[in-house]
Parts: sequence; structure tokens; C-alpha cells
Amino acid sequence: AQSVTQPDIHITVSEGASLELRCNYSYGATPYLFWYVQSPGQGLQLLLKYFSGDTLVQGIKGFEAEFKRSQSSFNLRKPSVHWSDAAEYFCAVGAGGNKLVFGAGTILRVKS
Amino acid sequence: NAGVTQTPKFRVLKTGQSMTLLCAQDMNHEYMYWYRQDPGMGLRLIHYSVGEGTTAKGEVPDGYNVSRLKKQNFLLGLESAAPSQTSVYFCASSYQTGVETQYFGPGTRLLVL
Repeated sequence: AQSVTQPDIHITVSEGASLELRCNYSYGATPYLFWYVQSPGQGLQLLLKYFSGDTLVQGIKGFEAEFKRSQSSFNLRKPSVHWSDAAEYFCAVGAGGNKLVFGAGTILRVKS
Repeated sequence: NAGVTQTPKFRVLKTGQSMTLLCAQDMNHEYMYWYRQDPGMGLRLIHYSVGEGTTAKGEVPDGYNVSRLKKQNFLLGLESAAPSQTSVYFCASSYQTGVETQYFGPGTRLLVL
């Protein structure tokens, strides 16, 4: 069965520092991978997605993610974090058919 | 466009009561989904629909029913609410299959006492 693991429940970074959020997936075929962000009290917003092609994917708000098949990973990165990036981040894999499987989420806190 | 809207935003129920959550989308999407979000568990799919008049079970369907009588609306029903159904419920829609971007509503927070 498909699964997504986000090893870090909470991460705290200083404003201006770089960020990497980890995501590992389990899926037998070529995965479709997503990162979503959820601000407090809000729904989920798509940051970026990977379907095929270039393994480095650019998203909104200055985020990028790199697909590494050999490591079954799709880590999210940002070179310089802003206070407004504080939110919960979800990695998801397209599980075939019409479904997404989500990870448990990583809560990002930004120190000023 | 309003995108995906959910009604109500917040509700408190007593155990055994029933209620219906409404999801509406104005993007002419074929696919609609209901998820529940619980701390430390991410989002789990309850039911989904691939078009008007169709529904299918997701990962955690027990205790819930759904209906998709109109393409733009997807209803989630709780016939007899239980405290274990205390959660935040999100509706989403997409143009076609799940590999396409799913657009999410703002959520409904449900507390079952």
C-alpha cells in the first residue's frame, strides 16, 4: 500500500535561514508527488507537484522540491524562510485512481 | 470564483445526533472528495465521487454517508455522531483524477460531545 512519511513533526528555523522538510514515500510505480501548505485555520494550498521530467520542481512562494527515486524522497526546500512561512506542510503521493495519500504533516515555526 | 466552499464552518453535536456537511464548488470539477484531518495523522480520505450520481469509499468510510446529486455539490452525512468523529473535515475537488491538483475548502470543525 502507498504511504508517505514525514519524519519531522515540528521544525523551528530562524527567519532568513534555509529550510528543508523531509518526505519519504512508498509506491510501486512512478509516483505523482505533491506538497501542500496549510496556514492556521485555512484549507490546503498546493505549493508544487511532480509528475515526470525534471526532478527539481519549482513552486510558489519560493519553494522547490527534488525528487530522488533512489531514496524514495521528495524533500521541500526554501533558501530563506520568512515569518509568513510558518504553517503546516503536507507531502502527498497520488495513489492511483482518484486518491491522494497524505503524510502526517510537519509544523514549521519561524523564529524572529 | 468562490472555489470550494464548505458549510458550516463549525458545529457542536451531541452523541447520536445527525448532521450534513455541504461542499460546493464552482469550477465545474468532475471529482470531489471528503477528508478528515486529525492531529498527527494528516488527511485521510472518507469518500469521494468521480462524477454526478457516483460515490465511492475511501480509507475511513465507516459512520459516514455521502451523496452527489448535483455536479457542484458533495454532501457528507453523519447519521449518528460519535465522539470519535470529532475532527476537521475538508472537502476538495479536482478536474479529473487524483493526480491532478486538488483544490481544498476552508474546512469544517466538528466537535461531538
